[in-house]
Amino acid sequence: SQTIHQWPATLVQPVGSPLSLECTVEGTSNPNLYWYRQAAGRGLQLLFYSVGIGQISSEVPQNLSASRPQDRQFILSSKKLLLSDSGFYLCAWSPATISGNTIYFGEGSWLTVV
Amino acid sequence: AQSVTQLDSQVPVFEEAPVELRCNYSSSVSVYLFWYVQYPNQGLQLLLKYLSGSTLVKGINGFEAEFNKSQTSFHLRKPSVHISDTAEYFCAVTPASGGYNKLIFGAGTRLAVHP
Repeated sequence: SQTIHQWPATLVQPVGSPLSLECTVEGTSNPNLYWYRQAAGRGLQLLFYSVGIGQISSEVPQNLSASRPQDRQFILSSKKLLLSDSGFYLCAWSPATISGNTIYFGEGSWLTVV
Repeated sequence: AQSVTQLDSQVPVFEEAPVELRCNYSSSVSVYLFWYVQYPNQGLQLLLKYLSGSTLVKGINGFEAEFNKSQTSFHLRKPSVHISDTAEYFCAVTPASGGYNKLIFGAGTRLAVHP
């Protein structure tokens, strides 16, 4: 069966420091991969999605970037964190190509920028 | 572009009472519809989804939802809730074509079940 792992689970970082959140998927190949952010009291906002290695689409302009160095690895990064980057970050995957497939979420990473 | 409106940010209800969580969407193209549940400090879990066919969709944990195309709604219902149903519920849509999934979520409805 497929599993998704995301780490670290909790992170407290000072303003201006770098960020790296990592996500890996097991048990499938060529998945679509996603990064969502959930700010306190708000819904989920799609940040990035990827349909293949090195293929990243950004949904909103922001202080973050994403990379997909391997088929089942998705990394969310920042060179300098802002206070507004605080939130709950969720990595997710779905089978490739077909719309309507279920998207499966990881357990999330809490980021607090202080 | 698509958008989702969840009409209630919070819904308090007593245990064993029925509940309805409302969701309306806007889209110029056909969409698929989803309901996800998020328990505290956890990721999201799929409750149910509508792709085609019968407009009444049954999901896990006794939940069901009805797709109403004319009213662009996809309300979630459960006839009798339990304390364990306390969670945040998200309605989401994705275009029915395009070759990839890109879920657009509503702001969520917090269901609080009281004894």
